[in-house]
Amino acid sequence: DAGITQSPRHKVTETGTPVTLRCHQTENHRYMYWYRQDPGHGLRLIHYSYGVKDTDKGEVSDGYSVSRSKTEDFLLTLESATSSQTSVYFCATQGQDNSYEQYFGPGTRLTVT
Amino acid sequence: GQQVMQIPQYQHVQEGEDFTTYCNSSTTLSNIQWYKQRPGGHPVFLIQLVKSGEVKKQKRLTFQFGEAKKNSSLHITATQTTDVGTYFCAGRGGYQKVTFGTGTKLQVIP
Repeated sequence: DAGITQSPRHKVTETGTPVTLRCHQTENHRYMYWYRQDPGHGLRLIHYSYGVKDTDKGEVSDGYSVSRSKTEDFLLTLESATSSQTSVYFCATQGQDNSYEQYFGPGTRLTVT
Repeated sequence: GQQVMQIPQYQHVQEGEDFTTYCNSSTTLSNIQWYKQRPGGHPVFLIQLVKSGEVKKQKRLTFQFGEAKKNSSLHITATQTTDVGTYFCAGRGGYQKVTFGTGTKLQVIP
């Protein structure tokens, strides 16, 4: 597996609080992605990055923001967490423009009470 | 937007039986990928198909990309308990945006 770590691995937070999830990679991959996984929905793209400070929205970006100040780190922030954001969050990376294989991190289980 | 549906959502098979999952996109895809996620784990890349009508094999797994590049299938011959997990297709249409299917959860009964 590619060197992708996510932190924290588990988090319980209250509605209305800000939450930041971190994805760290050691592969120097250009592309990084944040997905959420919910039963019956598969993996849905939240935001992605195609380089340092270059990001774009995915299909479920409302309520989420991202930042990428270094190649190796991609942060996902929930400005004000809601119960609908309870989910498992996966970070993924992709190395080359013509190789679309994505490498996934171990995931973060977030519960918003 | 692009939608990718997978059927069935769940499949229980007796060990040794075959298994097939189907993936259908609402739009033409430039390529399609398949991933496997073991229970409690993260998705792991299996294969990528690019050409219309392409067929690829990995041991007991056969992957096919439709002629119109809007559908794909994964067939497992003689399932084993190690095949348990959820299988996702992921279709790529636009630049760097990939849409994952809803997944098919496979349970193999020994």
